[in-house]
Amino acid sequence: QIQLVQSGPELKKPGESVKISCKASGYTFTDYAMHWVKQAPGKGLKWMGWINTYTGKPTYADDFKGRFVFSLEASASTANLQISNLKNEDTATYFCARDGYSGDGYYFDYWGQGVMVTVSS
Amino acid sequence: DIQMTQSPPSLSASLGDKVTITCQASQNINKYIAWYQQKPGKAPRLLIRYTSTLESGTPSRFSGSGSGRDYSFSISNVESEDIASYYCLQYVNLPRTFGGGTKLELK
Repeated sequence: QIQLVQSGPELKKPGESVKISCKASGYTFTDYAMHWVKQAPGKGLKWMGWINTYTGKPTYADDFKGRFVFSLEASASTANLQISNLKNEDTATYFCARDGYSGDGYYFDYWGQGVMVTVSS
Repeated sequence: DIQMTQSPPSLSASLGDKVTITCQASQNINKYIAWYQQKPGKAPRLLIRYTSTLESGTPSRFSGSGSGRDYSFSISNVESEDIASYYCLQYVNLPRTFGGGTKLELK
């Protein structure tokens, strides 16, 4: 069955960096794009951008340009999100989500379980 | 960017009630809207795509409708397991945008 399994929770200090992983299984990794979604505590869902898992090309939403990097370890069917120079406002749960397709557009069909990143001094 | 205005932000219902959530897009999204359910501490779960197509495993008490800019999502005969937050998502183009969410609570 299709699964996206993310890495564990992280506790970081402001200014540090964090790398989150999302390991896919049950399908051909390079056939589907991977998106990243942020959810701050008690808040809604915010799209961060996506990475083409075939070419490795990332695309970032405007609010996530600069400190955020999407990358792949395609041989390991894994997508990564790295955040540098962490700020308090980066405290959130970060989800990876597969871009599914069924003839009527691309939409998020499978999600990772989420990674809680806490930034605190 | 397409803005998705979702209402109401919260909803109180009794078991067996019918509830409806709406999302209005800032422009025509040609039915490219999906609805997700999220329970506390869990990932969102896809319930409906392309306005009204139920995903495998989605109970038939869930439904969606709409066109153009205006869309709705309903739960008939609310059950206790339906207590969650619900989000709409437009996927007609990038950036993908979510509605603000609706928290469904028991009355």
